[in-house]
Amino acid sequence: QKEVEQDPGPLSVPEGAIVSLNCTYSNSAFQYFMWYRQYSRKGPELLMYTYSSGNKEDGRFTAQVDKSSKYISLFIRDSQPSDSATYLCAMPRAAGNKLTFGGGTRVLVKP
Amino acid sequence: DVKVTQSSRYLVKRTGEKVFLECVQDMDHENMFWYRQDPGLGLRLIYFSYDVKMKEKGDIPEGYSVSREKKERFSLILESASTNQTSMYLCATAGENGYTFGSGTRLTVV
Repeated sequence: QKEVEQDPGPLSVPEGAIVSLNCTYSNSAFQYFMWYRQYSRKGPELLMYTYSSGNKEDGRFTAQVDKSSKYISLFIRDSQPSDSATYLCAMPRAAGNKLTFGGGTRVLVKP
Repeated sequence: DVKVTQSSRYLVKRTGEKVFLECVQDMDHENMFWYRQDPGLGLRLIYFSYDVKMKEKGDIPEGYSVSREKKERFSLILESASTNQTSMYLCATAGENGYTFGSGTRLTVV
């Protein structure tokens, strides 16, 4: 079993819809949670990070963490075609700055 | 803005060749990483370095080595390229605002 599981998609939604992405993880030592966005032929870029259980909002993006269920989510409100990308969850390991990544979910927002 | 530059976007190499992938950062970050990205497998850590001449194996170091002679430059070396090393290779640095990735090198080994 992978440490971090993520549905690969693709997830296709119409413009303006809410996009819902999630990851499950098995290592209870993970304390920090990140979401990266990766456009085609580019490296991933940090979108959001959160430490505690609960919700964190940043504009149209909401990150949600449920440590008891080892489940994290990312919601994108009022989705735009420019949100079409692969979204990766990531969690720092206990030692050092190493990250463990999910496999990524490809999102397509159709105009 | 931190910039991480990977010297090649696309490379095609033959089986058995020695391959060098170069990565340069323009900030004073100590930690640098090499990942490979494959469909369905996500990003997997090959090697990382936390200082000049310091390196540690990641999760999949077999068939690879690294070099960090200067703080800003971290090189990934494929000692004898094989077809199963065909992949997207991503270099990253870690600072207080998290990771910054380069644009990647898509390597094809034929």
